[in-house]
Amino acid sequence: DGGITQSPKYLFRKEGQNVTLSCEQNLNHDAMYWYRQDPGQGLRLIYYSQIVNDFQKGDIAEGYSVSREKKESFPLTVTSAQKNPTAFYLCASSTQTAKETQYFGPGTRLLVL
Amino acid sequence: EDQVTQSPEALRLQEGESSSLNCSYTVSGLRGLFWYRQDPGKGPEFLFTLYSAGEEKEKERLKATLTKKESFLHITAPKPEDSATYLCAVQARGTSYGKLTFGQGTILTVHP
Repeated sequence: DGGITQSPKYLFRKEGQNVTLSCEQNLNHDAMYWYRQDPGQGLRLIYYSQIVNDFQKGDIAEGYSVSREKKESFPLTVTSAQKNPTAFYLCASSTQTAKETQYFGPGTRLLVL
Repeated sequence: EDQVTQSPEALRLQEGESSSLNCSYTVSGLRGLFWYRQDPGKGPEFLFTLYSAGEEKEKERLKATLTKKESFLHITAPKPEDSATYLCAVQARGTSYGKLTFGQGTILTVHP
């Protein structure tokens, strides 16, 4: 069964703590993306990666970091520098970048203790 | 700057009552317009991609249309299971990657 998996479903962060959200895909997609969703707002792009070992900042990259060591995996770290991390985080992938449909994972909800 | 505005913010329908959702966009050359459905607490599910004005696509009770300034998602004889948030996104020409600009969504509730 091909698809995108994200874990955990819920994540709790203490102040000053870095946390990492997992995103794995078995669709053989080259491009992967991280979005943040806040209530009443559209999805906003955090980071994207077109190929392994390469990634670029999106519109709201401050306080976040990523890596792309494998084609299938694109983990997102929410650092302590992100002052308002509470949100629903969505990972997506596509076969290429331009014009291709992005398919989304089930999401991780991050809450601050 | 690319912008997407969806209306209405929320729509309540009775089962069987057809209606339309609107997605107005401003973009420097449209590469594609995408519709997604999102259930509470879940990731968006892809519905349609439209590439040029005049294009139409259908899937069950849903039909998406595109003009040069807006897209409509028509829902014919909706059922309670059609209740969800519907998201519209655009991709502009000139971007080297697949950046999508999303609207804020329309929350659809269909009552039995």
